[in-house]
Amino acid sequence: DAKTTQPTSMDCAEGRAANLPCNHSTISGNEYVYWYRQIHSQGPQYIIHGLKNNETNEMASLIITEDRKSSTLILPHATLRDTAVYYCIVTGNNRKLIWGLGTSLAVNP
Amino acid sequence: DTGVSQDPRHKITKRGQNVTFRCDPISEHNRLYWYRQTLGQGPEFLTYFQNEAQLEKSRLLSDRFSAERPKGSFSTLEIQRTEQGDSAMYLCASSLVTGNNYGYTFGSGTRLTVV
Repeated sequence: DAKTTQPTSMDCAEGRAANLPCNHSTISGNEYVYWYRQIHSQGPQYIIHGLKNNETNEMASLIITEDRKSSTLILPHATLRDTAVYYCIVTGNNRKLIWGLGTSLAVNP
Repeated sequence: DTGVSQDPRHKITKRGQNVTFRCDPISEHNRLYWYRQTLGQGPEFLTYFQNEAQLEKSRLLSDRFSAERPKGSFSTLEIQRTEQGDSAMYLCASSLVTGNNYGYTFGSGTRLTVV
């Protein structure tokens, strides 16, 4: 499974868009990009995933570059409840997930 | 069905004791995964089942660890002769293998403290 690189931490003002980047330069053709988040002491929560097209759901948007070597998770209007650790993972066929350290996002009032 | 359930939520045990955790996945999900997470780290893969078959085990899963999923429904993770290094959050997740490759649903975890 390809490895991912994410910034250790980010800040965002409440109500503004939070843009979380992820590099996955070794991604292979059949690997998906997944995003999860984990709020303190809870289990990880699935956010969104994509293969090569941009995706949007009720929680977020996922923008994947044309070469698929990087992606950005966008939380359009961040709230205080979005403060969490956000993990970007690449994997294929619903296999095991290899987790990095993620990005700790702090949404400030 | 409200999601993936794990029991207990917290477990404190003395070193050397055996512990068993239970995971009830989402009923229609055919895959079940166990992960372990220590403070400040991302979850680490331990093992996964497709229906009742255990398809992969991590090297982290020493011979003191055993997981079962009888009849392809709930799963148990047992740790024998616990050590202080086993203290962690044990997470269970389930998924449905389809062509759309949906993500996992995680439970809230079992936090184990070995004293």
